Amino acid sequence: KQEVTQIPAALSVPEGENLVLNCSFTDSAIYNLQWFRQDPGKGLTSLLLIQSSQREQTSGRLNASLDKSSGRSTLYIAASQPGDSATYLCAVRPDSGYALNFGKGTSLLVTP
Amino acid sequence: DGGITQSPKYLFRKEGQNVTLSCEQNLNHDAMYWYRQDPGQGLRLIYYSQIVNDFQKGDIAEGYSVSREKKESFPLTVTSAQKNPTAFYLCASRSGETQYFGPGTRLLVL
Repeated sequence: KQEVTQIPAALSVPEGENLVLNCSFTDSAIYNLQWFRQDPGKGLTSLLLIQSSQREQTSGRLNASLDKSSGRSTLYIAASQPGDSATYLCAVRPDSGYALNFGKGTSLLVTP
Repeated sequence: DGGITQSPKYLFRKEGQNVTLSCEQNLNHDAMYWYRQDPGQGLRLIYYSQIVNDFQKGDIAEGYSVSREKKESFPLTVTSAQKNPTAFYLCASRSGETQYFGPGTRLLVL
């Protein structure tokens, strides 16, 4: 069974810092990997999707990388802002089926 | 506005009672999903439907039931057999590889 782990569970940084969130998965037979953002008490918003054949994706200040063979992905946030404070969830889609396997998330707090 | 709506935002269940959570989408998506989220946990899949009149159990389907009579609607019933229903419930629909999530329903037990 696919296990998705996110480290750290929580992170607090001052505004302006660059930061990295980590995601690892146990089964490399994935179709793609996605990063989501969740604000408290809200639904999820898709940030970046990386296909298994890709190495990275970028959107604005966000950059996600994927090393499928080692079962790792990172989400890099440049020049963090207080508005980036949220929980970030990593999810992998297996080769078979569309159901996503989620990690527990990293809770990020960016302080002014 | 296009999107996914879930209602109610908060729902209270008495012991032994069945309750139904609503999920509606006007995105014309075929696939829809129900997830459960517990504090400090990732999302766990309850049920999913790839097309109208068809649905499949996810990882934690026991104590839940669904129907998919219309493309736009995918209601989830939490039955009395679900002994620990307190959680945040999220509905999603899918277009291509991207899942779009509703705002969620928080279910509490009285």
